[in-house]
Amino acid sequence: DVKVTQSSRYLVKRTGEKVFLECVQDMDHENMFWYRQDPGLGLRLIYFSYDVKMKEKGDIPEGYSVSREKKERFSLILESASTNQTSMYLCASSPGHHSNQPQHFGDGTRLSIL
Amino acid sequence: GDSVTQMEGPVTLSEEAFLTINCTYTATGYPSLFWYVQYPGEGLQLLLKATKADDKGSNKGFEATYRKETTSFHLEKGSVQVSDSAVYFCALKDTGNQFYFGTGTSLTVIP
Repeated sequence: DVKVTQSSRYLVKRTGEKVFLECVQDMDHENMFWYRQDPGLGLRLIYFSYDVKMKEKGDIPEGYSVSREKKERFSLILESASTNQTSMYLCASSPGHHSNQPQHFGDGTRLSIL
Repeated sequence: GDSVTQMEGPVTLSEEAFLTINCTYTATGYPSLFWYVQYPGEGLQLLLKATKADDKGSNKGFEATYRKETTSFHLEKGSVQVSDSAVYFCALKDTGNQFYFGTGTSLTVIP
């Protein structure tokens, strides 16, 4: 089974801090994604990556950056955390471009910015 | 562009009732379709999938049929249990790398 592991289930940080959320997948998937999930808004795509060192902006990239130095790892960075970034963050991975296979999700990180 | 529209919730049912959650999609080409389930405090888990027209996905008593003529992928279960209480997401994958999700439907099953 595919396993997507997010480094923390719960995280509390302060306004202005630089925050790193880590995600690792073990199935050699080309694609990796970061979403945030807020009540009433569903899933919103922040960034995705279809290859090492490649990244594409999603629907809400402002205030975030990402890093993909190795195929299995995709990091989300909050450059200067703000209270409106308090949310549930979900990482996902999927096989490459021509696949019809689904995304696999991690358990999520519930991030609170105080 | 591609999109998914699913029935708004919340939905509350009694145990053993019949469940339908409607999902329709807009897509160019021939997308793959998925239903995911999210239990409280967890990530999304794949529930079932269908990759071409007329395919039926099924798992744990849930079913959904890929209907190209009506661009629909409705989720059904004949007899729900309390343990089915969760949020359900309909999703599609286009021919590229992108996935599109509905906004989710919250289901509560009461004993």
